[in-house]
Amino acid sequence: AQKITQTQPGMFVQEKEAVTLDCTYDTSDPSYGLFWYKQPSSGEMIFLIYQGSYDQQNATEGRYSLNFQKARKSANLVISASQLGDSAMYFCAMREVAGGTSYGKLTFGQGTILTVHP
Amino acid sequence: NAGVTQTPKFRVLKTGQSMTLLCAQDMNHEYMYWYRQDPGMGLRLIHYSVGEGTTAKGEVPDGYNVSRLKKQNFLLGLESAAPSQTSVYFCASSSRLPRGRDGYTFGSGTRLTVV
Repeated sequence: AQKITQTQPGMFVQEKEAVTLDCTYDTSDPSYGLFWYKQPSSGEMIFLIYQGSYDQQNATEGRYSLNFQKARKSANLVISASQLGDSAMYFCAMREVAGGTSYGKLTFGQGTILTVHP
Repeated sequence: NAGVTQTPKFRVLKTGQSMTLLCAQDMNHEYMYWYRQDPGMGLRLIHYSVGEGTTAKGEVPDGYNVSRLKKQNFLLGLESAAPSQTSVYFCASSSRLPRGRDGYTFGSGTRLTVV
């Protein structure tokens, strides 16, 4: 079963507007971590934001915020005031603890390509 | 700069040839991982290691072997390359409970084409 689902293969946004990238996950582990990464055309993986399953507040990192809805198992990334440089592939990923045997393995979603129009 | 270094960055192989991808990290991380990235499928775990001398299979291990003889190095081998192994390969390392910005460090990737 797919553990991380990103249902938007591609998204378009106008420069300076906000955009939400969707991510749902599936786990029975009460302790897990959710990551978002950006992959520009140059190929490197750039960390954007992290949310722990026990964190009370939604995570924020500058223009990035994570809309964490634990009961719905969703962890949507919100990018405010989009910039042309935000055009990239975005990945949602989950790290489970699973009784201490997950060994930090990250499971990735399929990714969403974001295009920012001027 | 500290981080994860992958070599080579690009490689073209003929079907049946073998090669080794090298990953080196200088952050004293216990865990290391090899992922492959294919269009529409995100990154999928090939093999991982939880310490020197240990390796384990991930989601897509067939056709690959790995070794971790030293803590800082994690090698990915293709014994007999196939066109289906054309992909971008990423190495990553982490501490035992990765979280936040420093949770995982990724290499810059290796683009492998098998013809």
